[in-house]
Amino acid sequence: ETGVTQSPTHLIKTRGQQVTLRCSSQSGHNTVSWYQQALGQGPQFIFQYYREEENGRGNFPPRFSGLQFPNYSSELNVNALELDDSALYLCASSYPGTFTEAFFGQGTRLTVV
Amino acid sequence: DQQVKQNSPSLSVQEGRISILNCDYTNSMFDYFLWYKKYPAEGPTFLISISSIKDKNEDGRFTVFLNKSAKHLSLHIVPSQPGDSAVYFCAASARGGGADGLTFGKGTHLIIQP
Repeated sequence: ETGVTQSPTHLIKTRGQQVTLRCSSQSGHNTVSWYQQALGQGPQFIFQYYREEENGRGNFPPRFSGLQFPNYSSELNVNALELDDSALYLCASSYPGTFTEAFFGQGTRLTVV
Repeated sequence: DQQVKQNSPSLSVQEGRISILNCDYTNSMFDYFLWYKKYPAEGPTFLISISSIKDKNEDGRFTVFLNKSAKHLSLHIVPSQPGDSAVYFCAASARGGGADGLTFGKGTHLIIQP
């Protein structure tokens, strides 16, 4: 098992810029979910990818988009960054429909200034 | 509109005693509930779960109780140990693991006092 790894761990962006966050999923897991955790809040579901397609989405605008690659790694892209996008972004990998097997990465701390 | 609520931001318990963390939910469609534990600078780690067809699930020192009529669940940790100090998140799913993701509460910071 290699675990879920996210990169980078921290970054600072300017309002209006675009950012790409990366996630390498747990070995054998083909489902990746992304969550946003604002300060003092619980994680909020952004979307989920299964077999390279988005198969579920939370209440986030279209400027939040993603990709999943054949090796099941994933990217989260955010366009036109806003100050409120400052948060910890968590990636979780799992087998489809099996949250008990969901492994979270350590997260990427994004600060928008 | 918060569908999963953890009304205690923090809880302090003496080592060796029982820790009880509470969680309330409003969405009747939730059918699967989980507890996650989070240390600083780490991602959440799955702890224990319960399906809506059960009212109790036990795993070692951890027991989760579900009261569907009250839309309430609780996590009991007995006995509490210093390594249990962490933030605990209650989470729920509306499709037993479907593509809607998990809905999390805001978390309870558990502090185990020596």
